[in-house]
Amino acid sequence: QVQLQQWGAGLLKPSETLSLTCAVYGGSFSGYYWSWIRQTPGKGLEWIGEINHSGSTNYNPSLKSRVSISVETSKNQFSLKLTSVTAADTAVYYCARTIFGVVRGWGQGTLVTVSS
Amino acid sequence: EIVLTQSPATLSLSPGERATLSCRASQSISGFLAWYQQRPGQAPRLLIYDASKRATGIPARFSGSGSGTDFTLTISSLEPEDFAVYYCQHRSNWPPRVTFGPGTKVDIK
Repeated sequence: QVQLQQWGAGLLKPSETLSLTCAVYGGSFSGYYWSWIRQTPGKGLEWIGEINHSGSTNYNPSLKSRVSISVETSKNQFSLKLTSVTAADTAVYYCARTIFGVVRGWGQGTLVTVSS
Repeated sequence: EIVLTQSPATLSLSPGERATLSCRASQSISGFLAWYQQRPGQAPRLLIYDASKRATGIPARFSGSGSGTDFTLTISSLEPEDFAVYYCQHRSNWPPRVTFGPGTKVDIK
């Protein structure tokens, strides 16, 4: 049973960079896409982007200019960076495992608040 | 870009009643649709994938149907733990993108 455990700063000021990391335990790291998804009361669930074990990425076009997802296969970890955050980036951020387009595992979620 | 629309936004029912939730895609997505349940304070949980296949451990009262642009999630007899928000989801291969519907909240009448 795969488990995803995520961590990162929960309070940011406008213009700072959001940084989150997700560790994968108990399952293979290859053969899947590893995603970041966020949830806000106003916009619901929003896919941020994904990466596979070889580092191939896909991003949501609406966030692409500010997003970077990276992978560290030796540690079974992947990370999210979102630059120049604003209040609109306040959300619960989830890491997730995706296979054949289906999200089959979620991290516990991290509430990130952007406030001056 | 594929857009998913869910209806109704809120469904008020009593335990034991049947729930029928709808998800409509802006263009045909064949059978590549998943459904998730989210309870307050929890991450979403996969219920159905490929429109009609139940995920491991999901009770038989949950069923999915549909193809093309119109999909349905049915809960045959609502249990207390089923009152939650339900999302549909699709991943397009080109351009690669994951899309979620806005959700349907099933609450107690």
